[in-house]
Amino acid sequence: SQTIHQWPATLVQPVGSPLSLECTVEGTSNPNLYWYRQAAGRGLQLLFYSVGIGQISSEVPQNLSASRPQDRQFILSSKKLLLSDSGFYLCAWTRGTGESGANVLTFGAGSRLTVL
Amino acid sequence: SQQGEEDPQALSIQEGENATMNCSYKTSINNLQWYRQNSGRGLVHLILIRSNEREKHSGRLRVTLDTSKKSSSLLITASRAADTASYFCATAPNTGGFKTIFGAGTRLFVKA
Repeated sequence: SQTIHQWPATLVQPVGSPLSLECTVEGTSNPNLYWYRQAAGRGLQLLFYSVGIGQISSEVPQNLSASRPQDRQFILSSKKLLLSDSGFYLCAWTRGTGESGANVLTFGAGSRLTVL
Repeated sequence: SQQGEEDPQALSIQEGENATMNCSYKTSINNLQWYRQNSGRGLVHLILIRSNEREKHSGRLRVTLDTSKKSSSLLITASRAADTASYFCATAPNTGGFKTIFGAGTRLFVKA
């Protein structure tokens, strides 16, 4: 069966520090991968998605970046965090386009980032 | 801008009652999904309804879709305290691509 791991679960970082959140998927190949951010009590904002190694699409201009160095690994990074980067970050995956259930997202447990 | 908007923003009911949440969206869609999120956790997929379907059931869940009104509803029957969570609708536009867009959610509180 497929599983998704996301870490760290909680992170407190000072303004201006770097960030690295990691996400890996097991039990599937060539997944579509996503990073979402959720502000407190709000809906989800799509940040990045990737349909293959090295292929990253950005939805929102910001000081965050994403990389996909391996088929089942997705990394969210920042060189210098801002206060506004605080939030709950969720990694998710879907099956490849054309596969059954291609639109159904499976989420990780989330990473709560507090920037002070 | 948000593709889906849920209504109400918050809902408080007694155990055993039915809970109805609504979702409106703006563009043509391939399908519409409902997800559940327990506090501080990731989202869990509940049900997907395709644009050519009008109603779908899964256990105590009933989802309707009206593409002419660009709206959907999620009904949870005989609610339980364990149903307390936030519920989100999400839409996949039929313009292609990979963007599933979420609404702001409805926070449901079921009192025991």
